[in-house]
Amino acid sequence: EAQVTQNPRYLITVTGKKLTVTCSQNMNHEYMSWYRQDPGLGLRQIYYSMNVEVTDKGDVPEGYKVSRKEKRNFPLILESPSPNQTSLYFCASSSGRVVQYFGPGTRLTVL
Amino acid sequence: GQQVMQIPQYQHVQEGEDFTTYCNSSTTLSNIQWYKQRPGGHPVFLIQLVKSGEVKKQKRLTFQFGEAKKNSSLHITATQTTDVGTYFCARLVSGNTGKLIFGQGTTLQVKP
Repeated sequence: EAQVTQNPRYLITVTGKKLTVTCSQNMNHEYMSWYRQDPGLGLRQIYYSMNVEVTDKGDVPEGYKVSRKEKRNFPLILESPSPNQTSLYFCASSSGRVVQYFGPGTRLTVL
Repeated sequence: GQQVMQIPQYQHVQEGEDFTTYCNSSTTLSNIQWYKQRPGGHPVFLIQLVKSGEVKKQKRLTFQFGEAKKNSSLHITATQTTDVGTYFCARLVSGNTGKLIFGQGTTLQVKP
């Protein structure tokens, strides 16, 4: 089954404790992105990747890092999480830049 | 400049009533996409519009792209409880980037 998976689905952590949210897709898509969703703000793009080893900042990249060492994986790294990074995070992938397939989401709480 | 504005933010309707959400841009759009997110779920692609004045239908859903390509709308005829969710428009930024900019979304509640 074609899908985008994210782990963990839920995470509660404390300020400053490094964490990684994994994202994997099995559709051989070139394009992958990370979004955060906050009430009233819609979905805002954090980082995107056009292919292996090619990444670029989205609209809200501060406090986040990404890497794209393999085509299928696009982890999101928070080196020193802060409470303002409490949010719902979605990974997405696409081929041909049209349809974006979203993962199930990761709800992160930073205390 | 690149933002898309969506209205209304919330809409409550009685089952069977129609519903419309609007997406507006101050600049000409090369395309507009629509997504639906059910409560507790993830956004799911509905459609993409690229041509001026384009109208596409999916059962009770009608999508329009304005003649000037600066606005779009999604109209649902005779809403059902299964239509509940948040509807987002999004524009794909031109160039080979994969960068997508979303509107704030319209959350639809349907009373049975």
